[in-house]
Parts: sequence; C-alpha cells; structure tokens
Amino acid sequence: EIVLTQSPGTLSLSPGERATLSCRASQSVSGNYLAWYQQKPGQTPRLLIYGASSRATGIPDRFSGSGSGTDFTLTVSRLEPEDFAVYYCQLYGSPWTFGQGTKVEIK
Amino acid sequence: QVQLVESGGGVVQPGRSLRLSCPASGFTFSTYAMHWVRQAPGKGLEWVAVISYDGRNKHYADSVKGRFTISRDNSKNTLYLQMNSLTAEDTAVYYCVRDLIGSGGEDYWGQGTLVTVSS
Repeated sequence: EIVLTQSPGTLSLSPGERATLSCRASQSVSGNYLAWYQQKPGQTPRLLIYGASSRATGIPDRFSGSGSGTDFTLTVSRLEPEDFAVYYCQLYGSPWTFGQGTKVEIK
Repeated sequence: QVQLVESGGGVVQPGRSLRLSCPASGFTFSTYAMHWVRQAPGKGLEWVAVISYDGRNKHYADSVKGRFTISRDNSKNTLYLQMNSLTAEDTAVYYCVRDLIGSGGEDYWGQGTLVTVSS
C-alpha cells in the first residue's frame, strides 16, 4: 500500500503570495494517477488537478501541478482570498489513497 | 447533471449495523467504478472501498476490511455500503464518489451522510 505524505501541515501566507505544497509517495506512482483537491469548511472536496499536472474543468490557471515518480507539487501562483483552505493529494489508481492534508491559512 | 445522493446515515450503537445507499443519475452508472470515502469530524479524507463498474471486483481499506461490504445494483443505478460491527472510529460523513479514471477531469461527490456511532 502506497502512503502519501504531505508537507507542510500548515502554510501561513498572505493573499498575493505563492503557495507550494508537497506530496511524497512511499513508492513510485504508476500512470501519474495523482490528483489534488481543495476543501473548504462544510463543503465537499473539489478536484483541482488530475494526472499530476492537468487542471480540472473550470480551475483557474493560477493552480498548477507538477512532479512524477514519488514527488509531486501543487503550486498556487498568487493566492486569492478564496484559496485559503485545506488541500489533499490523492492516488486514484485502484485503490485510492489520500494524503493527510495541508492547511493554507491567512498570515 | 450528475447527481449522487447518499442516504441511510444516522446514530447507531457500537456493534450494530447500518446500510448506506447512493442512487446515481445523470451519467451511465454501469460504466464507472464507484467509491465510498469518509471524513471523521475535523479530520482528513479516508478512502473506504471501491467497486468495479460491473461489481466483480472490490477493494477495502484495512480499517474496514471484514466489516464493511460495498455493492451495486446497475439496474437501479445505486451504490451501497453495508457496515457491520460499527465502532466509534467509524463515526464520519460518508461520501459516494464516482471514479476519476475516464472522467475527463471532472469529479462527482455526493453531499455526504453522517454516521454517528455512539451508545
């Protein structure tokens, strides 16, 4: 079973700053079946990135994903007020696995 | 539009059982694998189980293996989760989720149903 470890646990930034979130897999991820989700309080998760680097439908281009193998990154180029939330990485080849999440909070 | 609507949650005593249902609409249900994902209060997302499009293949998280059973009825476009021997650690919002593979970058989650295991 592949384990996903996200870092940092919490990221304190100001609007307009760049956010860089990391997701490390315990084994190499085949097929780049790696996704990123955003979740705000009281809401269901929202898909941002799939296939490690493809933006989901309707996602602004300030969100980008990169990486392969065991190391993946989600970058938010300039944080908007609505981007402060919890972010999860996910392996979606069967079965699924989620990272423990990174909270992006306002500094 | 795609709709997934979970039901069957509630308060249940430890050791008892509960069955969740998730009728689906707006897409060809019988062509997608389906998942259950849960989220305990204030915690992260935890994958629970997956069932293949035809129901032949199933996989479970270690935390629920032997206690939970995922199933589907493609004639009714409905996903199920039978939960037995429930413990307090199973308290969570349970989401029905369509598989991502072949989804073209679109994810679909139900609104979730809360299961509370408490005496």
